[in-house]
Amino acid sequence: NAGVTQTPKFQVLKTGQSMTLQCAQDMNHEYMSWYRQDPGMGLRLIHYSVGAGITDQGEVPNGYNVSRSTTEDFPLRLLSAAPSQTSVYFCASSTRLAGGGDTQYFGPGTRLTVL
Amino acid sequence: DQQVKQNSPSLSVQEGRISILNCDYTNSMFDYFLWYKKYPAEGPTFLISISSIKDKNEDGRFTVFLNKSAKHLSLHIVPSQPGDSAVYFCAATRDDYKLSFGAGTTVTVRA
Repeated sequence: NAGVTQTPKFQVLKTGQSMTLQCAQDMNHEYMSWYRQDPGMGLRLIHYSVGAGITDQGEVPNGYNVSRSTTEDFPLRLLSAAPSQTSVYFCASSTRLAGGGDTQYFGPGTRLTVL
Repeated sequence: DQQVKQNSPSLSVQEGRISILNCDYTNSMFDYFLWYKKYPAEGPTFLISISSIKDKNEDGRFTVFLNKSAKHLSLHIVPSQPGDSAVYFCAATRDDYKLSFGAGTTVTVRA
């Protein structure tokens, strides 16, 4: 199993440009999510999905769109990049946590810089 | 408003000694707590978890303690090793999927 994969690893954008961060998992997990990590802030949830065709907003959704057409893929779209979106982005997947000892599995991250 | 707080941004400990990392939460509905470890340029990896029905969970050198009345949990690493130098995140969930994270504590293990 490759686990959770993310592309690209690094990206530099100019203000106003759009792009899509790719995320895929091969563990047949129903739940997928996107986080951003900023210094002193920990990881903050952007959007999440509990299954194909179902998405919802997290803590910091503004400026981002998501879709979930398959179980495996969960792309994150930046519609018009802003310097405030400079961050490290992590995708994660899991089954239900429910105290059952399961966990979310994270991808290696995408480091995005918006100039 | 951050519902999970790690008030110590950094911790330095000598190799072989105990590392104690602390985490406080404000949402009494949280029922499952996790610790993640993160090395530079990598994604977080799961370390240990605890359900709200327990007050202690052990896995090798790592033990997590939960004090529900104080809304406090801690991670003990005994003995600390150089490979334990990383950022540690505390996380909590109340609805089986979404995690709320603390800001992280950077642990440095000195030789």
